[in-house]
Amino acid sequence: DGGITQSPKYLFRKEGQNVTLSCEQNLNHDAMYWYRQDPGQGLRLIYYSQIVNDFQKGDIAEGYSVSREKKESFPLTVTSAQKNPTAFYLCASNDQNQPQHFGDGTRLSIL
Amino acid sequence: GNSVTQMEGPVTLSEEAFLTINCTYTATGYPSLFWYVQYPGEGLQLLLKATKADDKGSNKGFEATYRKETTSFHLEKGSVQVSDSAVYFCALGMNTGFQKLVFGTGTRLLVSP
Repeated sequence: DGGITQSPKYLFRKEGQNVTLSCEQNLNHDAMYWYRQDPGQGLRLIYYSQIVNDFQKGDIAEGYSVSREKKESFPLTVTSAQKNPTAFYLCASNDQNQPQHFGDGTRLSIL
Repeated sequence: GNSVTQMEGPVTLSEEAFLTINCTYTATGYPSLFWYVQYPGEGLQLLLKATKADDKGSNKGFEATYRKETTSFHLEKGSVQVSDSAVYFCALGMNTGFQKLVFGTGTRLLVSP
């Protein structure tokens, strides 16, 4: 089955630590996205990538970093500079003029 | 800038009741409009979409019509089921390339037996 796999489902971070969230897709989509979901705020775009080795900042990129070394993979690193990282993180992908498909998300909590 | 406004929830209904969740948008140009559904602990699933004015999207008994004159895309279902309990997100994407989405804040629907 084609789809988007996010791992892990739950992740805990200690203060001052960087953590990396995985997103893999086997849909052969060109574009991939990372969103952050907080209660009552909907989804906000962190970073997106339309092609391998290229990515752009979204609306709330501060404290996050990404890479796109392979078409199927778009990992997100939550750095220690992100002061309020507790949230539900969603990865998505699509091709041009097509709806976005979403993974099942990773819930990040601070210890 | 582009934005989406949804009615606040939760919306609480009894099984077989009629559902309406309001969604209005502000956009420069002519966006595509989407409804996504999120079940507890899961990601978002595309429920339906419409790409131009007067288009009606439909799926699983849900419908929404793209109304350019009122900049609205209200979600409706004639008879809800307990299994429809979820959070519903309205979103817009501009019809250029990869369509970055702008989401509303979501509306939680609770359906009781």
